[in-house]
Amino acid sequence: AQSVTQPDIHITVSEGASLELRCNYSYGATPYLFWYVQSPGQGLQLLLKYFSGDTLVQGIKGFEAEFKRSQSSFNLRKPSVHWSDAAEYFCAVGPNFGNEKLTFGTGTRLTIIP
Amino acid sequence: EAQVTQNPRYLITVTGKKLTVTCSQNMNHEYMSWYRQDPGLGLRQIYYSMNVEVTDKGDVPEGYKVSRKEKRNFPLILESPSPNQTSLYFCASRDFGDNEQFFGPGTRLTVL
Repeated sequence: AQSVTQPDIHITVSEGASLELRCNYSYGATPYLFWYVQSPGQGLQLLLKYFSGDTLVQGIKGFEAEFKRSQSSFNLRKPSVHWSDAAEYFCAVGPNFGNEKLTFGTGTRLTIIP
Repeated sequence: EAQVTQNPRYLITVTGKKLTVTCSQNMNHEYMSWYRQDPGLGLRQIYYSMNVEVTDKGDVPEGYKVSRKEKRNFPLILESPSPNQTSLYFCASRDFGDNEQFFGPGTRLTVL
């Protein structure tokens, strides 16, 4: 069965500092990997996705993620965070063929301090 | 504009009072799905549909029903809501030719 682990429940960083959010997955085949962001009171917005090819993926809002098959990881990074990046971030893996569902991690809440 | 819409966005109800949350997409997607989001648990799938008249259970289907009579609509039905169904609900859709799911804005349900 596929699964996603986000080991950090809550991360606090200073504005302007770099950020890395961790994501580890378990999947029986080549995974499709996603990062979503959820701002307070908002829905889910897709930041970036990986299907194949270049293992370093660029997304919106200056985010990037690197797929590392040997470590089963898909960590999200940003070189310099802005106060507006405060949100909850979800890593997801899919699809589960026949169902096509996404399996989500439990999320990482990001707090930005001035 | 391509989108997934949900109604209502907010709902407070009482135990046992039947309710329906509507979901509609305008992208002609075959696949639609419902998720619920709870603190510390992420999003979990409730039901999904691969096409009209084809539905199946996800990970947490108890207490929910769905129907898919038209391709664009996928309502979520709670016949007898209970407080443990208080949650944030998301509808999503996807085209079989793509791997990205599009999410609706969410429905926050409170069952008293």
